[in-house]
Amino acid sequence: SSELTQDPAVSVALGQTVRITCQGDSLRSYYASWYQQKPGQAPVLVIYGKNNRPSGIPDRFSGSSSGNTASLTITGAQAEDEADYYCNSRDSSGNHLRVFGGGTKLTVL
Amino acid sequence: EVQLVESGGGLVQPGGSLRLSCAASGFTFSSYEMNWVRQAPGKGLEWVSYISSSGSTIYYADSVKGRFTISRDNAKNSLYLQMNSLRAEDTAVYYCAREGRGIAALYYYYMDVWGKGTTVTVSS
Repeated sequence: SSELTQDPAVSVALGQTVRITCQGDSLRSYYASWYQQKPGQAPVLVIYGKNNRPSGIPDRFSGSSSGNTASLTITGAQAEDEADYYCNSRDSSGNHLRVFGGGTKLTVL
Repeated sequence: EVQLVESGGGLVQPGGSLRLSCAASGFTFSSYEMNWVRQAPGKGLEWVSYISSSGSTIYYADSVKGRFTISRDNAKNSLYLQMNSLRAEDTAVYYCAREGRGIAALYYYYMDVWGKGTTVTVSS
């Protein structure tokens, strides 16, 4: 079982805003990072730190954090945003292990 | 171009061994911490192992501890994963990923460069 909990599936209408959440005790101490993965491809980092986007990631992607919950928001979702999204952080045991959430399948309608 | 290229995957019988390699290019490999992450067919991402830039600090997921060994050769810009006592549940695509870190109000860690992965199948 994952120490980071994500909803298995979320859907959004084209052009609307969607929030994908990630819950876990470790998120009180560490920011999550977020990854987009399309079928047959390697994951791609989309958000890290408080709200940082790597070069090439559209500004419709943003991140936030409150308490034990991290959120990835896509403002004006596009068809190409349909993918699996994973959060990642440290585990909550203090053992320096990394952990991924179970992933959220985003469908753009 | 910053790049990671995995190799060494294949079909292996249960109980067998395999050594994965990850060749880095386009950045100063010796300055970066590295990870192995795997993905079983139809499943999510699972972190496997971490190694510090010097190789002096290593961590493993409980699922592979005692069976897998991570290592690196900074002179060869290469990361390795020695996998022993393989089980059917180790069947997955294995990715190497570069790690970065920082601090704002909280600490943060991220994997900003990923290889395309190499497939390991454990089956008789």
